[in-house]
Amino acid sequence: EPEVTQTPSHQVTQMGQEVILRCVPISNHLYFYWYRQILGQKVEFLVSFYNNEISEKSEIFDDQFSVERPDGSNFTLKIRSTKLEDSAMYFCASSRRDTRAGELFFGEGSRLTVL
Amino acid sequence: AQSVSQHNHHVILSEAASLELGCNYSYGGTVNLFWYVQYPGQHLQLLLKYFSGDPLVKGIKGFEAEFIKSKFSFNLRKPSVQWSDTAEYFCAVNAGGTSYGKLTFGQGTILTVHP
Repeated sequence: EPEVTQTPSHQVTQMGQEVILRCVPISNHLYFYWYRQILGQKVEFLVSFYNNEISEKSEIFDDQFSVERPDGSNFTLKIRSTKLEDSAMYFCASSRRDTRAGELFFGEGSRLTVL
Repeated sequence: AQSVSQHNHHVILSEAASLELGCNYSYGGTVNLFWYVQYPGQHLQLLLKYFSGDPLVKGIKGFEAEFIKSKFSFNLRKPSVQWSDTAEYFCAVNAGGTSYGKLTFGQGTILTVHP
């Protein structure tokens, strides 16, 4: 069964450092998403991405965050200057289409710890 | 903005017991409703979804959910749980007019089933 893969599974970084989280969506999917879950809190939508541009973003997704699809397979989330409050589990998801039938497939997540 | 509330943080049952997990949402317009499950060490996966039509929807592994519009609820049920149902369950809502991949999640309910 095809799946969304994420790397790294866990990253520890110092405050102020740049972090890139990587995702390989399912190959024939066209819509890509990032979500995050701060420990003990809800899973929150960050951004959706289609046709090489952001289609929707939440208020969490400020100028410190960016997303990119640098090649035909990877989908990345970059945090330019990490803060303590960026510590969270980050989930990538993809779907084949943005319709009612477009089920989201999630990766297992990347845990980011900012010290 | 819409919000989703799950009534129970942790539910503990014995095998063969019946299960009902509560989910309420706050949004006055058209919604699409989902239940996701996360088994230990695995990714979030779709259990079932409701878009329109019959308010009683059936999902995988014997789960079902009922949409009651007047109560803004979408409770998850299973008549007889198994040890393998031990997982965290998330209710999620997609508000009409936004990307179908933009989900608002509840805080999750951890289900522990004792053999």
